[in-house]
Amino acid sequence: AAGVIQSPRHLIKEKRETATLKCYPIPRHDTVYWYQQGPGQDPQFLISFYEKMQSDKGSIPDRFSAQQFSDYHSELNMSSLELGDSALYFCASSLLGPEGTDTQYFGPGTRLTVL
Amino acid sequence: LAKTTQPISMDSYEGQEVNITCSHNNIATNDYITWYQQFPSQGPRFIIQGYKTKVTNEVASLFIPADRKSSTLSLPRVSLSDTAVYYCPLRPNNAGNMLTFGGGTRLMVKP
Repeated sequence: AAGVIQSPRHLIKEKRETATLKCYPIPRHDTVYWYQQGPGQDPQFLISFYEKMQSDKGSIPDRFSAQQFSDYHSELNMSSLELGDSALYFCASSLLGPEGTDTQYFGPGTRLTVL
Repeated sequence: LAKTTQPISMDSYEGQEVNITCSHNNIATNDYITWYQQFPSQGPRFIIQGYKTKVTNEVASLFIPADRKSSTLSLPRVSLSDTAVYYCPLRPNNAGNMLTFGGGTRLMVKP
């Protein structure tokens, strides 16, 4: 079965540079979530989109922005990168049913290293 | 705010049944209980989901008591490849569909 695709899988950037992470949801899924997982930490929700509109916002820095495009893929744009942004970034997708019933399927993640 | 509590770690041996319990006293009335498995540097992998009573699939069973304040993930006959972190994230009450991950359970399966 098709899974969530994320690219790139690994990314190395210098401080103050910008990065763009891409997420391709499972076909026919209408909702995309972004999570950040720092070293030794649990995944933390950043932002989500339903039908190309932002639906929820978590602990996402103002330096980060995201959007979902007409083909439902999503991009997370990160600017003025800081050392503390080094983490695994996961995208998850779901087909949104009645609240509380959607199952989120996670991608393999993008490992961002900021030097 | 919905919050989960799980044992930090558990040890088991190959072939044994492992039961991991998650406490979620403030679970939202309409929230389903979902368990994920995560290997190092990989995305959380969906294992099983349920609302109440018992759910079983090809890899695990999920037991949920009537009050839904806890749930137990049961892994039958674990193998070394089941060594991973197991999470039971919840959705915040009336605040969206995002998952809130509490500290997971690190399961170590020994030969």
